[in-house]
Amino acid sequence: GAGVSQSPSNKVTEKGKDVELRCDPISGHTALYWYRQSLGQGLEFLIYFQGNSAPDKSGLPSDRFSAERTGGSVSTLTIQRTQQEDSAVYLCASSRQGALGNTIYFGEGSWLTVV
Amino acid sequence: SQQGEEDPQALSIQEGENATMNCSYKTSINNLQWYRQNSGRGLVHLILIRSNEREKHSGRLRVTLDTSKKSSSLLITASRAADTASYFCATEGNAGGTSYGKLTFGQGTILTVHP
Repeated sequence: GAGVSQSPSNKVTEKGKDVELRCDPISGHTALYWYRQSLGQGLEFLIYFQGNSAPDKSGLPSDRFSAERTGGSVSTLTIQRTQQEDSAVYLCASSRQGALGNTIYFGEGSWLTVV
Repeated sequence: SQQGEEDPQALSIQEGENATMNCSYKTSINNLQWYRQNSGRGLVHLILIRSNEREKHSGRLRVTLDTSKKSSSLLITASRAADTASYFCATEGNAGGTSYGKLTFGQGTILTVHP
């Protein structure tokens, strides 16, 4: 498809398990972002990838969270030893390049529920 | 409190009326963007206004920016039931370098337009 694709759409996991969330950005977009949205809240920045540069990880809430971007395209967000407070929608976004004012396109998100 | 705070938190109007949502922010910005979110899923970019602009129009949308007051407003004219959604403002900072696309979101305004 032409948009940002995320999988799974919904994931229910038990507390303490690891989860992986996948993001396929728009083809040709060099910038990729992960955000988190808790119920009824705004979005919280997690991590930003731009080309081959070192990612900006300043938004990751703890060392249980990590993300990779392989080959400058697909990205995986991994949450280890999930906790109930990790329950949220995880939104991936991409833009043509990392530049101020570029339009950022969001995926539909992965809804994570930790029980 | 969070950069990019919106008010009201919820707005309920009749079809055909205008809807105005406000956003305040705290730090220096390069631009301010408005997004729409249906049913808690992916965000759609509506409009971007740069810090040196005061007003911008797109179809039925009108955005104003007052950098002296660190505030913005989004006006939707002649609202339709299909405009029912959550609306978020997001600011993009001036730090450059790793700040590209690192948006700071408000908590959003829930707009309900009754047919």
